[in-house]
Amino acid sequence: DGGITQSPKYLFRKEGQNVTLSCEQNLNHDAMYWYRQDPGQGLRLIYYSQIVNDFQKGDIAEGYSVSREKKESFPLTVTSAQKNPTAFYLCASALLDRPQHFGDGTRLSIL
Amino acid sequence: AQSVTQPDIHITVSEGASLELRCNYSYGATPYLFWYVQSPGQGLQLLLKYFSGDTLVQGIKGFEAEFKRSQSSFNLRKPSVHWSDAAEYFCAVGAPDQNAGNMLTFGGGTRLMVKP
Repeated sequence: DGGITQSPKYLFRKEGQNVTLSCEQNLNHDAMYWYRQDPGQGLRLIYYSQIVNDFQKGDIAEGYSVSREKKESFPLTVTSAQKNPTAFYLCASALLDRPQHFGDGTRLSIL
Repeated sequence: AQSVTQPDIHITVSEGASLELRCNYSYGATPYLFWYVQSPGQGLQLLLKYFSGDTLVQGIKGFEAEFKRSQSSFNLRKPSVHWSDAAEYFCAVGAPDQNAGNMLTFGGGTRLMVKP
């Protein structure tokens, strides 16, 4: 079945550590996105990419980095510069004129 | 820039009762509109979408939504709620001139609880 796979489901970060969240899709979608969700809030866009080797900052990109070396993959790194990283992170993908499809998310917590 | 408001943070309905979740948007032209549902600890599932045409849109799981341009609203309805509908619901707006798949703006969500 086609879909979006996010891993790991749960992730813990130590102080000063960078962590990378994986997002893989086999839907042949051009665009991929990363969102952050905090309790009781909607989704906020971190980064998005419309084509390989290109990506754009969203509303809350500070403290995060991404890469898009392959069409299927869009990993998100939460750097030590992100001082409040505890959140639920959602990856999505879409054809450019179609609705976004979402993965099941990664919950990041601080040790 | 577009914005979305979901006025109700929590709603509780009895099983079998009707449901209406409110969504108001701000955008300079006719937007693309979406409703997504999220179960705890899960991703978002698309319920329905409006791009153009008939303003009453049918979705999955018996949901429908009506686009009302004069009220800048896209309210979600279901005639009879089931216990399995308990979840969080998000309204989102996309800007057609940037492609429907890009730059969605989400409302803050409405958490639906269903009483037996």
